[in-house]
Amino acid sequence: EAEVAQSPRYKITEKSQAVAFWCDPISGHATLYWYRQILGQGPELLVQFQDESVVDDSQLPKDRFSAERLKGVDSTLKIQPAELGDSAMYLCASSLGQAADTQYFGPGTRLTVL
Amino acid sequence: GNSVTQMEGPVTLSEEAFLTINCTYTATGYPSLFWYVQYPGEGLQLLLKATKADDKGSNKGFEATYRKETTSFHLEKGSVQVSDSAVYFCALSPQGGSEKLVFGKGTKLTVNP
Repeated sequence: EAEVAQSPRYKITEKSQAVAFWCDPISGHATLYWYRQILGQGPELLVQFQDESVVDDSQLPKDRFSAERLKGVDSTLKIQPAELGDSAMYLCASSLGQAADTQYFGPGTRLTVL
Repeated sequence: GNSVTQMEGPVTLSEEAFLTINCTYTATGYPSLFWYVQYPGEGLQLLLKATKADDKGSNKGFEATYRKETTSFHLEKGSVQVSDSAVYFCALSPQGGSEKLVFGKGTKLTVNP
């Protein structure tokens, strides 16, 4: 069964450093999402791509976060500089892109900022 | 705005007990409703969904009915197993907009043998 791949699974960094997360969606999925899940909370959308275009980045802290999906396939989420409050699980999901389609989630990247 | 409210956890049950996890939502129009489950150390998996009022979603013995009149989508299972121990998230996808999911805070379920 096809899965969403994410790497790394765990990342520890010091504040003010740069970090990057990678996501490879299920083949053929046009829509890709990055969510942030703070411990004890539900995931919150950071950015949504349709193919290579950003559809929604209203909750992305653009002063330090950036995301790209250059060829409409895999995607990278970057934080620079990292802050203590960025410690969280970063989840990538993909879907075919139709209304009420199932979103398939990857295992996530657990970020700890010291 | 759109929001989801779930019952506070954690919930601890004995094996074969009946499970209910309450979920209510606020949204305009007719959102689609979902339950996702997150097992320890894993990503979220879709458990079930319903896309219109009075629809019942079901999977692996779990059920939830989309109640427009009470804006609810409560999760139920008649007999829980130890393997059902996980965190359960209720979510909605707003009608007519992007497909992004708005999640509740999650309810941690522990089932003891």
